[in-house]
Amino acid sequence: RKEVEQDPGPFNVPEGATVAFNCTYSNSASQSFFWYRQDCRKEPKLLMSVYSSGNEDGRFTAQLNRASQYISLLIRDSKLSDSATYLCVVNSGNTGTASKLTFGTGTRLQVTL
Amino acid sequence: DTGVSQDPRHKITKRGQNVTFRCDPISEHNRLYWYRQTLGQGPEFLTYFQNEAQLEKSRLLSDRFSAERPKGSFSTLEIQRTEQGDSAMYLCASSRGKNTEAFFGQGTRLTVV
Repeated sequence: RKEVEQDPGPFNVPEGATVAFNCTYSNSASQSFFWYRQDCRKEPKLLMSVYSSGNEDGRFTAQLNRASQYISLLIRDSKLSDSATYLCVVNSGNTGTASKLTFGTGTRLQVTL
Repeated sequence: DTGVSQDPRHKITKRGQNVTFRCDPISEHNRLYWYRQTLGQGPEFLTYFQNEAQLEKSRLLSDRFSAERPKGSFSTLEIQRTEQGDSAMYLCASSRGKNTEAFFGQGTRLTVV
């Protein structure tokens, strides 16, 4: 089983739609979680961190369910500019200083007119 | 520009040659990560440093790959005897510490011919 799993998509949605992505992780000791956005042939860029209480940034809402080991990202009122690949990232450290960021394969979103 | 910088941006090399990439992290960041990414996949972990100490190296990484961060600032990634399968985007990222978000450089795109 992969450490971080995402549906690769693509998700094709019309402008203005609400779309949700889920991500599951296997390491129950994981301590921090992030969503990154990656445009074609560009580097990943941090979209938002994911907190236990859930957090919102404008049209974007991220939630964490530690019991079920999944993370979600909700995008409301989709814009054409939201078209990108969304990467789920988990810090899979266990003890001490050991920790690395493990990426999912990404979910591709295409927003259309 | 105070972001992560990588050099070169592109590298074309003949099979069997050695190549070296450089990464300059954000100055106050003590963690530095190397990732490799191929088309349609998420970034794959290679190795990471905390200051000058290399804390983990991917088991998938062959002995042809080596990374250093001699003074805890910039890092180099060397690939010896390159193979066509090494063709990929090599991404460097840095973070302030454990469990904090990482910021990526623009990557070095390697093509082995």
